[in-house]
Amino acid sequence: GAGVSQSPRYKVAKRGQDVALRCDPISGHVSLFWYQQALGQGPEFLTYFQNEAQLDKSGLPSDRFFAERPEGSVSTLKIQRTQQEDSAVYLCASSLVLAGSFGETQYFGPGTRLLVL
Amino acid sequence: GENVEQHPSTLSVQEGDSAVIKCTYSDSASNYFPWYKQELGKRPQLIIDIRSNVGEKKDQRIAVTLNKTAKHFSLHITETQPEDSAVYFCAAFSPTRGKLTFGQGTILTVHP
Repeated sequence: GAGVSQSPRYKVAKRGQDVALRCDPISGHVSLFWYQQALGQGPEFLTYFQNEAQLDKSGLPSDRFFAERPEGSVSTLKIQRTQQEDSAVYLCASSLVLAGSFGETQYFGPGTRLLVL
Repeated sequence: GENVEQHPSTLSVQEGDSAVIKCTYSDSASNYFPWYKQELGKRPQLIIDIRSNVGEKKDQRIAVTLNKTAKHFSLHITETQPEDSAVYFCAAFSPTRGKLTFGQGTILTVHP
């Protein structure tokens, strides 16, 4: 079946521009996660949704970052007034069940590579 | 919060040799430990995982061991092949935080 998809795959933005990154999780997956991956580093947690509810946004770097999943499926990560330090790969992952007390396999999308000039 | 340390940061082996990557974690409540392989420009892909009620798990040439007392887990790849070359990430899931924390990654290069 189709895996997690993300769009756009590449985004170049001028400093100060707003960007919106889209994630289409695997159909039926309850949990959705956003990560930021800097060059040469592991993914860093940004935020987590369980269906449409955003249960944890503790990893969002600033109030310029906003994520939503209004219908419990597709999610959008929005970055306002982009800065050069926002340049990174933004990964989305989904899992079938609730994260709860037991970790479940997370399936990753290909990521969106954001470059802020 | 959870802290995951991964070593080595780079590993170079000859084809056919074994490769071992080690990770330590700080949260004793962590109970799920996946390993991901990420090729250049590609998505991280799960290669093996282990839960805290198991000490070892094997899948063909790949095995993972877990020592809960010492809070460390390791990835073992035997009979390495050039296509094993990639970045490998360990991760630990903490139920108290409800999220995965990743290690810094190991760049594995398998020379033909």
